[in-house]
Amino acid sequence: AQTVTQSQPEMSVQEAETVTLSCTYDTSESDYYLFWYKQPPSRQMILVIRQEAYKQQNATENRFSVNFQKAAKSFSLKISDSQLGDAAMYFCASHMRFGAGTRLTVKP
Amino acid sequence: KAGVTQTPRYLIKTRGQQVTLSCSPISGHRSVSWYQQTPGQGLQFLFEYFSETQRNKGNFPGRFSGRQFSNSRSEMNVSTLELGDSALYLCASSLYSGISYNEQFFGPGTRLTVL
Repeated sequence: AQTVTQSQPEMSVQEAETVTLSCTYDTSESDYYLFWYKQPPSRQMILVIRQEAYKQQNATENRFSVNFQKAAKSFSLKISDSQLGDAAMYFCASHMRFGAGTRLTVKP
Repeated sequence: KAGVTQTPRYLIKTRGQQVTLSCSPISGHRSVSWYQQTPGQGLQFLFEYFSETQRNKGNFPGRFSGRQFSNSRSEMNVSTLELGDSALYLCASSLYSGISYNEQFFGPGTRLTVL
């Protein structure tokens, strides 16, 4: 079965600092996509970033970037210059499976 | 462009009853997926509909069913409610079928409480 694991239930970062959220997954597919979604408190879930597995280059979206290690089946999210608005639950997803989520707190 | 809307936003039911939740996707989106979110189990995929056909199904009992209409609006039905069905039910839409590789746009969810 395809699984997605987020081993950090909670993370904390100082405003303007950098934080990395971890995700590992298991799949037998050769071509697939990986996603990071953000769910702010009492707000709708939105896509943060998407990675296509066949692409070697790591995806980036402004302050958000990923470290995709296909052989290790690892897909971590790096948030640079953290802002108060980044505080949320972050979910890693693959093949319709979501990880348990990481709650990110941003300290002013 | 209006986002994904879900009705009702909150619902309280008792065990044994049935419930129907509604989801209107973003205009032009033909794929609608449903998820159950609970503190214990996290986000779990229920099913995906595309062009009125169920394309993918998660590991939920037959009490959970859905359908999609010609205008892409979707409904999810849960029969014979159990206490464990209390959850936030999220609907998501996307342009194309295949939620494994398409970005999904989520609605605000319906909070179902079963007493």
